[in-house]
Amino acid sequence: DVKVTQSSRYLVKRTGEKVFLECVQDMDHENMFWYRQDPGLGLRLIYFSYDVKMKEKGDIPEGYSVSREKKERFSLILESASTNQTSMYLCASSLRKGRDYNSPLHFGNGTRLTVT
Amino acid sequence: AQKITQTQPGMFVQEKEAVTLDCTYDTSDPSYGLFWYKQPSSGEMIFLIYQGSYDQQNATEGRYSLNFQKARKSANLVISASQLGDSAMYFCAMRGIKAAGNKLTFGGGTRVLVKP
Repeated sequence: DVKVTQSSRYLVKRTGEKVFLECVQDMDHENMFWYRQDPGLGLRLIYFSYDVKMKEKGDIPEGYSVSREKKERFSLILESASTNQTSMYLCASSLRKGRDYNSPLHFGNGTRLTVT
Repeated sequence: AQKITQTQPGMFVQEKEAVTLDCTYDTSDPSYGLFWYKQPSSGEMIFLIYQGSYDQQNATEGRYSLNFQKARKSANLVISASQLGDSAMYFCAMRGIKAAGNKLTFGGGTRVLVKP
């Protein structure tokens, strides 16, 4: 089974702190994604990566950056956390095949981040 | 652009009965994949079932089946013999061949509560 592990289940940080959310997958997947989930807004894509050191902006990249130094690890960075970044963060990975669109994303358990 | 619509915000179902969750989609992509995910209250996003746009047969996975009607752009999920553990949020999602990074676009979700 695919396993996507997010380092923290719950995090509480202060405004202005630099925050790192870590995600590791064990299935040698090329694609990795960061989503945030908010009531009434659903799931929104922040960033994704289809290869080591490659990254692409999603729908809401402002205030975030990412790092992918190794294939299995994809980190989300909040450079200066703000209260409007309080949310559930979900990491996912998928196999990159000739036709990506038929490959499911496999998600981690999520990190519930609170910024005070 | 891709859009997923789930018109049922919430529904009750009696244990052991079947339930149908509606999903309609809109896309200009010639090829795409449709997915259903389950999110229990614990937060993890669990992949349930996949249907490809060119698949002739409806997908089935255990108690889950997908009623795919391409001309109507609908991909309804049917859960047979509901169990208490099926109580969760259910999301319909799609990936299109032309979408940037083949990103997964989600609907707003349907909350299912199974009554004993």
